[in-house]
Amino acid sequence: QVQLQESGPGLVKPSETLSLTCSVSGGPLSSYYWSWIRQPPGKGLEWIGAVSHSGSTSYSPALKSRVTMSIDTSKTQFSLHLSSVIAADTAMYYCARQRDYSGQFDIWGQGTLVTVSS
Amino acid sequence: DIQMTQSPSSLSASVGDRVTITCRASHNIGSYLNWYQQKPGKAPKLLIYVASSLQSGVPSRFSGSGSGTEFTLTITGLQPEDFATYYCQQSYKTELTFGGGTRVE
Repeated sequence: QVQLQESGPGLVKPSETLSLTCSVSGGPLSSYYWSWIRQPPGKGLEWIGAVSHSGSTSYSPALKSRVTMSIDTSKTQFSLHLSSVIAADTAMYYCARQRDYSGQFDIWGQGTLVTVSS
Repeated sequence: DIQMTQSPSSLSASVGDRVTITCRASHNIGSYLNWYQQKPGKAPKLLIYVASSLQSGVPSRFSGSGSGTEFTLTITGLQPEDFATYYCQQSYKTELTFGGGTRVE
């Protein structure tokens, strides 16, 4: 079965860039979109953006100026880079598989907590 | 952006109850509405997609309905493992958005 696993630093300093990778196992990258979603402690879910298997991207308007996503099909991985982070970017970050046509997130990683602090 | 508004934000229920959660969209989203369940410390889990389709493996006591701007998630016969937070999500527009969540306690 398809599994997703997030990896990356758990602590990032303010003004620096948060970088995470999601490794996909057990299935292909093609025919899906691959998303990042975050959840600040005690709060709701926020979609950050998505990347397709061909590398096309879409981002949340609220984060668009600071977000870059990419995909490496040879490594079956996709990545998130969020620049100029502030304390409000502290959150659990999830990667998820998004169905191409209907847009639901049917498979999620376990999440990784990223804290922004000096 | 399409804004998603859930109500109530929390509710108190007992095992065996019928629970209904509402999600309203700021624009017509057709049937592009999905529901998730999240338990503390866990990733969300897909329950319902395109408004009323039950995700594989999800118990049939969960059901979804609605179209356009108003949607409902119903749990018929609440079970102990159903105490959790529920989120709706629209997938009509490329910029995806979630509702604020409903905590069932």
